[in-house]
Amino acid sequence: QVQLQESGPGVVKPSQTLSLTCTVSGASISSRGIYYWSWLRQPAGKGLEWIGHIYTRGSANYNPSLKSRVTISADTSKNQFSLKLTSVTAADTAVYFCARMPGERSGFDPWGQGTLVIVSS
Amino acid sequence: DIQMTQSPSSLSASVGDRVTITCRASQSISIYLNWYQQNPGKAPKLLIYTASNLHSGVPSRFSGSGSGTDFTLTISSLQPEDFATYYCQQGYSTPQTFGQGTRVEI
Repeated sequence: QVQLQESGPGVVKPSQTLSLTCTVSGASISSRGIYYWSWLRQPAGKGLEWIGHIYTRGSANYNPSLKSRVTISADTSKNQFSLKLTSVTAADTAVYFCARMPGERSGFDPWGQGTLVIVSS
Repeated sequence: DIQMTQSPSSLSASVGDRVTITCRASQSISIYLNWYQQNPGKAPKLLIYTASNLHSGVPSRFSGSGSGTDFTLTISSLQPEDFATYYCQQGYSTPQTFGQGTRVEI
């Protein structure tokens, strides 16, 4: 059973960098199949936004709306992948989820439980 | 980006009701449409993938249909645990985008 768990600071100051890690259990992020290890977010009371994903051999795609500020990377030795979002503002306050997408056009499953990140001084 | 529009934004229903939620894409997405259920404070759960395929473990009262730009999620007989928010998501092109959600209330 594949499980994902987000971790990282719950509060980040404006203009600083948000850093989160997703730890995967029950599957290897470096396995042969093409899986897309993804980050999404959801501001309170609002809808879901795809941030980006990393896949085979460290390739990544990002949402154009965030591309200039986002980096997603993987640490295969720890079976983790990470999100860095620079120059954060209050608009980046949200619950951040990591999730797996089993194929480029498939749905996101499973998801981590989510972690709330508040941007505040 | 492909815009996804759900209707209605919210609905009130009773246990046992048949419920239909629609999702419209701003351009054709073939069958690459997924549906999720989200309860308050929880992560979304995948219900339906590629428009009409029931995800493993999802009750058969859930079904999906459609192709191109118009899609439907149907709950044949609403159960107490089905009161939640439902989202559609297109997987046709990057960036993947979601509808704004439909809240199903008692």
